[in-house]
Amino acid sequence: DIQLTQSPSSLSAFVGGRVSITCRASQSIANFVNWYQHKPGKAPKLLIYTASVLQSGVPSRFSGSGSGTDFTLSISSLQPDDFATYYCQQSQSIPFTFGPGTRVDTK
Amino acid sequence: QVQLQESGPGLVKPSETLTLTCTVSGGSISDSAYYWDWIRQPPGKGLEWIGSGYYTGNTYSNPSLKSRVSISVDLSKDQFSLKVMSVTAADTAMYFCARRSRDGYNHFDFWGQGTLVTVSS
Repeated sequence: DIQLTQSPSSLSAFVGGRVSITCRASQSIANFVNWYQHKPGKAPKLLIYTASVLQSGVPSRFSGSGSGTDFTLSISSLQPDDFATYYCQQSQSIPFTFGPGTRVDTK
Repeated sequence: QVQLQESGPGLVKPSETLTLTCTVSGGSISDSAYYWDWIRQPPGKGLEWIGSGYYTGNTYSNPSLKSRVSISVDLSKDQFSLKVMSVTAADTAMYFCARRSRDGYNHFDFWGQGTLVTVSS
């Protein structure tokens, strides 16, 4: 199975600040990475697919980059609605696997 | 807007079978462009992909669970179901259903809110 790690596991940031989350794969997965936002009691939300494509309806402050084994999710100007847990997911091969998550909370 | 909603018992006894159903609205489970998947998250742990169903009846499962998992689709009701047999406490988790694109990029574009299943006597 392809293993994903995320760093940091949690972070605190101010509204308006810039946030970057890293996802690293145990082997090259080209651009087969997706990013999700999850809030307690809510359905997870797709933010970015194939490493850098913004899902329809997702604010442009979210962006994704990377290829191979290293990927980054960035939030350019953190908004109150963005405090949540973020997960990366590899979609190159079955079984699909997820990173352990990065919790973003308010500083 | 596609919506998915999980339903099923919140408590299952050890060694019994866990059965959950996902109802799709705002879209059709017969749409050839999508798979219909189950994902779970044990308390305090990460997300685990369980498996997929397709409108043709084809299914795919995580090898770690394959022998205990069964996924089926009901086109007439726009529902798909998950069965996990011989459950143990390790199967206690929040279970999510999700729609997955069949465009080769395999992203989950719509999810249900999840349903918590506890395995306990």
